[in-house]
Amino acid sequence: EKVMTQSPATLSVSPGERATLSCRASQSVSSNLAWYQQKPGQAPRLLIYDTSTRATGIPARFSGSGSGTEFTLTISSLQSEDFAVYYCQQYHNWPLFGQGTKLEIK
Amino acid sequence: EVQLVESGGGLVQPGRSLRLSCAASGFTFDDYAMHWVRQAPGKGLEWVSGISWNSGSIGYAGSVKGRFIISRDNAKNSLFLQMNSLRAGDTALYYCAKDLFSYDSRKIIDYWGQGTLVTVSS
Repeated sequence: EKVMTQSPATLSVSPGERATLSCRASQSVSSNLAWYQQKPGQAPRLLIYDTSTRATGIPARFSGSGSGTEFTLTISSLQSEDFAVYYCQQYHNWPLFGQGTKLEIK
Repeated sequence: EVQLVESGGGLVQPGRSLRLSCAASGFTFDDYAMHWVRQAPGKGLEWVSGISWNSGSIGYAGSVKGRFIISRDNAKNSLFLQMNSLRAGDTALYYCAKDLFSYDSRKIIDYWGQGTLVTVSS
């Protein structure tokens, strides 16, 4: 059974600094990997798909990389509105989400 | 503007059934695959089920396979989830969600409703 593992579970970063979030697939998903952001009380928002393509309206400070089983979401200079929970999702098969990384203010 | 409005949630006893609905507007509904995604209180996202634009391809998470049935009515711009044999573990906020690309269901979700809460408890 395919599993998506995100690390760390919680990441503490200061505003203006860079944040790097990781996602690992138990089997190759090629480049079929998306990232979502979810703030408290809100539905998730699509950030990145196909590993590195930003969704409409997503700022350039969000970038994605990786392939196969190892993927990274990088936020280059954290803004106050970026503190949230981030999920990766593979769609190589039917969708499967990671357990999430909470990005909190340091 | 894309709008997805879920309904049908509520409190239900274990073993009973519930049918969720999602009313879609603001896009050509019958061009897109649709999904149900749930989120247990304080927990992460779990994809539940998906259906292609023409209902020709349907998938379920292992946790609901054999108990839940997804369907759609393109004439009424509506998506449904029939949930049978409900368990406490099915308690969650259920989101209706739209696929990013038309026809080619890549299973990337670009729009989400606000969710309907299902609570399974005696």
